[in-house]
Amino acid sequence: GAGVSQSPRYKVAKRGQDVALRCDPISGHVSLFWYQQALGQGPEFLTYFQNEAQLDKSGLPSDRFFAERPEGSVSTLKIQRTQQEDSAVYLCASSLLGSNQPQHFGDGTRLSIL
Amino acid sequence: KQEVTQIPAALSVPEGENLVLNCSFTDSAIYNLQWFRQDPGKGLTSLLLIQSSQREQTSGRLNASLDKSSGRSTLYIAASQPGDSATYLCAVYSGNTPLVFGKGTRLSVIA
Repeated sequence: GAGVSQSPRYKVAKRGQDVALRCDPISGHVSLFWYQQALGQGPEFLTYFQNEAQLDKSGLPSDRFFAERPEGSVSTLKIQRTQQEDSAVYLCASSLLGSNQPQHFGDGTRLSIL
Repeated sequence: KQEVTQIPAALSVPEGENLVLNCSFTDSAIYNLQWFRQDPGKGLTSLLLIQSSQREQTSGRLNASLDKSSGRSTLYIAASQPGDSATYLCAVYSGNTPLVFGKGTRLSVIA
């Protein structure tokens, strides 16, 4: 596709439910990043993949958060037993290789936990 | 730990004005600095990327400067237009850490 595609655009879940957010990066982009953006804040790093390898997951806030990219293309961010503080916009970005090149962002998934 | 601060948090200007957005960072050992634009409900669009060895980058009406030693960058927007209204985010990359973002400056250009 022409850009980074994220789905769903909006997700409402009840506290305690599990959710899965999908990211389709730009074709050929080796690097994939997940960010969490709270209202009125800048994005905060969650995790980084190079191909299928998860090279950095230092930003994941708890062990309820899990990300994968099994074939080095599409990535899924899963949040188990959601809590209200998980409500945020989750942004995915991809780049040709690494953070030394421009990252291209999707429009995000707005997650609301009731 | 790298921290990025953007001033002002919000700015409202009449159409046609030239304006400057400021970004400062605490650790000057950076590889590059990027300026992004974010429209409401949308992702981020990269505007300019300045490598640590560069002092400025220009794209159309936008000019970004970098003073690495003082930990500062500015984004200059010439002849502002209502379509420039958005949130502008600054982010730095330090090599062994992911991008660190500021909280952004929310710009409104009034016709």
